[in-house]
Amino acid sequence: GDSVTQMEGPVTLSEEAFLTINCTYTATGYPSLFWYVQYPGEGLQLLLKATKADDKGSNKGFEATYRKETTSFHLEKGSVQVSDSAVYFCALTDIAGGTSYGKLTFGQGTILTVHP
Amino acid sequence: DGGITQSPKYLFRKEGQNVTLSCEQNLNHDAMYWYRQDPGQGLRLIYYSQIVNDFQKGDIAEGYSVSREKKESFPLTVTSAQKNPTAFYLCASSIGTGAGETQYFGPGTRLLVL
Repeated sequence: GDSVTQMEGPVTLSEEAFLTINCTYTATGYPSLFWYVQYPGEGLQLLLKATKADDKGSNKGFEATYRKETTSFHLEKGSVQVSDSAVYFCALTDIAGGTSYGKLTFGQGTILTVHP
Repeated sequence: DGGITQSPKYLFRKEGQNVTLSCEQNLNHDAMYWYRQDPGQGLRLIYYSQIVNDFQKGDIAEGYSVSREKKESFPLTVTSAQKNPTAFYLCASSIGTGAGETQYFGPGTRLLVL
């Protein structure tokens, strides 16, 4: 079945540091890939997405490129801020055999803490 | 403002009790979902509904039930058969279920067992 694996956390950085959170996936069909962010005590918000190979999703300084050859969708940001502290989830939806009901398959989440 | 509301924010369940979590959306979305989040884990799908009056089991449906009588509403009942209900429950919706559709999430309900 489909699965998503994220790098183990927590990740602790100083403000203005470079961020990478690794994400790799296994899928049987043609997945679309997502990064969601969850702030403490809240629901999830879509951060960015990519729907086909070599697409780059970007938002709020975050970027991720859909790499089919390495089955990866790593999240990057050049300069993090304290306000970026949150839990980040990599996820996919898959169309297998021409059917899909939009189920999101999630990684386990990576906690990011940014210090001033 | 359009969005998804969930209530209550916190819910306490006694042994043997059924409790119902509310989810309402005014985004005019056809598809709705319920996920469960446990500490240190990703979200897991409980139930989903692609259209009014239709719903299907997800990966962990045992001990839960849903209804979809209105497009805007998708309540989740946690029954007494669910032996480990303590978790954070998230409702989501999307326009449809096609490839790449974005799911929009509500703020969640935290269920605790007394």
